[in-house]
Amino acid sequence: QVYLVQSGADLKEPGASVKVSCKASGYKFTGSGYHIHWVRQAPGQGLEYMGWINPSNGGGDFVQKFNGRVTRTRDTSINTVSMELSGLTVDDTAVYFCARTYSGRIIDFWGQGTVVTVSS
Amino acid sequence: DIQMTQSPSSLSAPVGDRVTLTCRASQGVANFIAWFQQKPGEAPKSLIYATSTLQSGVQSKFSGSGSGTDYTLTITSLQPEDSATYYCQQYRDWPYTFGQGTRLEIK
Repeated sequence: QVYLVQSGADLKEPGASVKVSCKASGYKFTGSGYHIHWVRQAPGQGLEYMGWINPSNGGGDFVQKFNGRVTRTRDTSINTVSMELSGLTVDDTAVYFCARTYSGRIIDFWGQGTVVTVSS
Repeated sequence: DIQMTQSPSSLSAPVGDRVTLTCRASQGVANFIAWFQQKPGEAPKSLIYATSTLQSGVQSKFSGSGSGTDYTLTITSLQPEDSATYYCQQYRDWPYTFGQGTRLEIK
């Protein structure tokens, strides 16, 4: 069975950075077409697509509004991808989800979500 | 970016009823449409991809259809556990944008 287990909740001050990790199990982490995508959800709001990473080669992209603020990493030795978001503002308060795609595009499994709260 | 618009934003239906949720893309997305169900406090659950193909383990009470810019999700034999917010997503063009969601309440 496929599992995506995310890191725990975090509280940050404005201007700080947060790193959210997503540990995969139950499938070949670097298999062809298996990517990890990131989606966030602000309190009471809908799903906002953020970007993706290819665990096989570290490639990927994030939408323009996050460019310059996000760093994507992966560690194939522990089947984990991470997303670090810097320059946090209160508008970054949200639940951050990772999700697996196959064929590079089709989301099938989701992580449980990581609550990130930005507050002074 | 492709904009996705869902309607209605919310609806209420009785147990046993059938509902159809609509998703419209700002340009044609060639059937690259997925649907997700999200209950309060939970992660989304993948229901359908490629407009009409059920993800593994998803009940046949869920079905999808559509083409071009207009797509629908139909849920039959509504039960209390179907209360949730439903999102469509296009994955024809990156970024893979979501609709704003339709909140379904079962009376």
